[in-house]
Amino acid sequence: DAGVIQSPRHEVTEMGQEVTLRCKPISGHNSLFWYRQTMMRGLELLIYFNNNVPIDDSGMPEDRFSAKMPNASFSTLKIQPSEPRDSAVYFCASSPYRADYEQYFGPGTRLTVT
Amino acid sequence: GENVEQHPSTLSVQEGDSAVIKCTYSDSASNYFPWYKQELGKRPQLIIDIRSNVGEKKDQRIAVTLNKTAKHFSLHITETQPEDSAVYFCAAYASGGSYIPTFGRGTSLIVHP
Repeated sequence: DAGVIQSPRHEVTEMGQEVTLRCKPISGHNSLFWYRQTMMRGLELLIYFNNNVPIDDSGMPEDRFSAKMPNASFSTLKIQPSEPRDSAVYFCASSPYRADYEQYFGPGTRLTVT
Repeated sequence: GENVEQHPSTLSVQEGDSAVIKCTYSDSASNYFPWYKQELGKRPQLIIDIRSNVGEKKDQRIAVTLNKTAKHFSLHITETQPEDSAVYFCAAYASGGSYIPTFGRGTSLIVHP
């Protein structure tokens, strides 16, 4: 198993541009999470999907952020328009069955917005 | 919602010493408490976890203890080695169907050879 796959690994973009981060969870896992990690705020849960359905998106910072999971093997996190304060490492993680089992994190996407 | 406090934020020890990291949580209904290790530039990885029906769990040099009454849990690392240097995160999961994790802010452990 290749584990959780994220792309791109690094993204540098200018303020105002649209950014799309992609995630492929581990096959058979029912739960998918998007996290943002910064020095200031630590590891923040942005949104949690179970069986492709968004269960909790209370961590999504504002309307500029949106996430989708069209099927069990793919999810996207979109920021439009991006701002410098969005610069962070974004992790996707998946978990079997439900959230309170081990989460398997992807390698992360380091986003820099200039 | 759940609130998780983690202390200390930085911990420096000599190789061979023990290290203890503590977390407190606010939701008495929380029932799952994992610990993740994140090496520099890498992804977080689960190292040990404990559920609310257990008071202590060990795995070689690491152990986790849970005090439900006081709502705190701790990570213990014995005989620390330089490769234990990393950021450690605790988390608590509330029950009730949503199973949303709340992570602590992390502890940067530095083991000096």
